[in-house]
Amino acid sequence: EDQVTQSPEALRLQEGESSSLNCSYTVSGLRGLFWYRQDPGKGPEFLFTLYSAGEEKEKERLKATLTKKESFLHITAPKPEDSATYLCAVFKAAGNKLTFGGGTRVLVKP
Amino acid sequence: NAGVTQTPKFQVLKTGQSMTLQCAQDMNHNSMYWYRQDPGMGLRLIYYSASEGTTDKGEVPNGYNVSRLNKREFSLRLESAAPSQTSVYFCASSDYRFHTEAFFGQGTRLTVV
Repeated sequence: EDQVTQSPEALRLQEGESSSLNCSYTVSGLRGLFWYRQDPGKGPEFLFTLYSAGEEKEKERLKATLTKKESFLHITAPKPEDSATYLCAVFKAAGNKLTFGGGTRVLVKP
Repeated sequence: NAGVTQTPKFQVLKTGQSMTLQCAQDMNHNSMYWYRQDPGMGLRLIYYSASEGTTDKGEVPNGYNVSRLNKREFSLRLESAAPSQTSVYFCASSDYRFHTEAFFGQGTRLTVV
């Protein structure tokens, strides 16, 4: 059975304290892995797509990487506005559906 | 540039009542999805439609029905609402042919009393 697991569930950081979020997956026929940001009361907002092991994507203070079994979202020198829940999701061609992990709630304190 | 539009944004139902959640996208996407989000449970797939004319069950389909009305619209129906269906519901769309990201609506917060 396909599984997507995110850790930790919650992360409290001081402003400027870099850290990493993990998304591990057991999916056959992976076609893409996506990272989303979700603010309270809003729908998930797309951040990155990764398609193959070794691929990396960057956007401001965020960097996403992918291996054959997991993906990391690195937050470098975070600011309070980076506080949000970060979700990863995997897409497999068979069935054409997107499966999400449980998310990591990040709180960055000034 | 609306993207994915869901209606209503908020709804309170009594146990046993029925309602339909509406979703429309203007990005010409093939695939559309309905998720529910509960505290500590992440986003769980209820139903999805890979393309116009097809629908399939996701992880938690019991108590729900869907209709892919046309390429733009995908509705979710609760025939007899139960308190366990209290949740935030999100509709999303994507173009699966290119394995691109899904875009989400703003959600419908449903309370069943």
